[in-house]
Amino acid sequence: KQEVTQIPAALSVPEGENLVLNCSFTDSAIYNLQWFRQDPGKGLTSLLLIQSSQREQTSGRLNASLDKSSGRSTLYIAASQPGDSATYLCAVRRRAAGNKLTFGGGTRVLVKP
Amino acid sequence: NAGVTQTPKFQVLKTGQSMTLQCAQDMNHNSMYWYRQDPGMGLRLIYYSASEGTTDKGEVPNGYNVSRLNKREFSLRLESAAPSQTSVYFCASSEADRGSGNTIYFGEGSWLTVV
Repeated sequence: KQEVTQIPAALSVPEGENLVLNCSFTDSAIYNLQWFRQDPGKGLTSLLLIQSSQREQTSGRLNASLDKSSGRSTLYIAASQPGDSATYLCAVRRRAAGNKLTFGGGTRVLVKP
Repeated sequence: NAGVTQTPKFQVLKTGQSMTLQCAQDMNHNSMYWYRQDPGMGLRLIYYSASEGTTDKGEVPNGYNVSRLNKREFSLRLESAAPSQTSVYFCASSEADRGSGNTIYFGEGSWLTVV
């Protein structure tokens, strides 16, 4: 069974500092990994999707890396801003689960002005 | 640009009552999903519909039923609500349920409390 873990569960940083969010998964037979952002009381918004054949994806200040062999992905947010405060979730789509997404528990981020 | 719309936003039910959560998407997506989100548990898949006319169980289907009414709409029904079904429910859709990596889009959630 696929386990997806995000540590830490919560993170607080001063504005301007770079954010590093971790995601680990136990089954390396994945199609892709996706990072989402969730604001309080809202749904999830997709940030980045990394195919299993890719090593990283970038969008603006966001960069996500994928290391399938070690079962890890990292989301980097450069020069954090108070508007980056949210919960960030990762999810993997794997073959053994009928291509369904398995989510981690999320990391709640607070960027202090 | 509505995307995925789900109703109601908030609902309080008494144990044993029934209700239906409605979901509609306007992106012409084939696949639709219902998830529940509980503190510390992440999102767990309840049911999904890979295409119009098909539905399948996810990770936590007990106590729920679904209907894929047409390509746009996918409803989730609680026949006899239990306190353990207190949760936030999310509907989602994607172009197709393939491994090639289609982005999934979520609704804003429905907060359900069963007392």
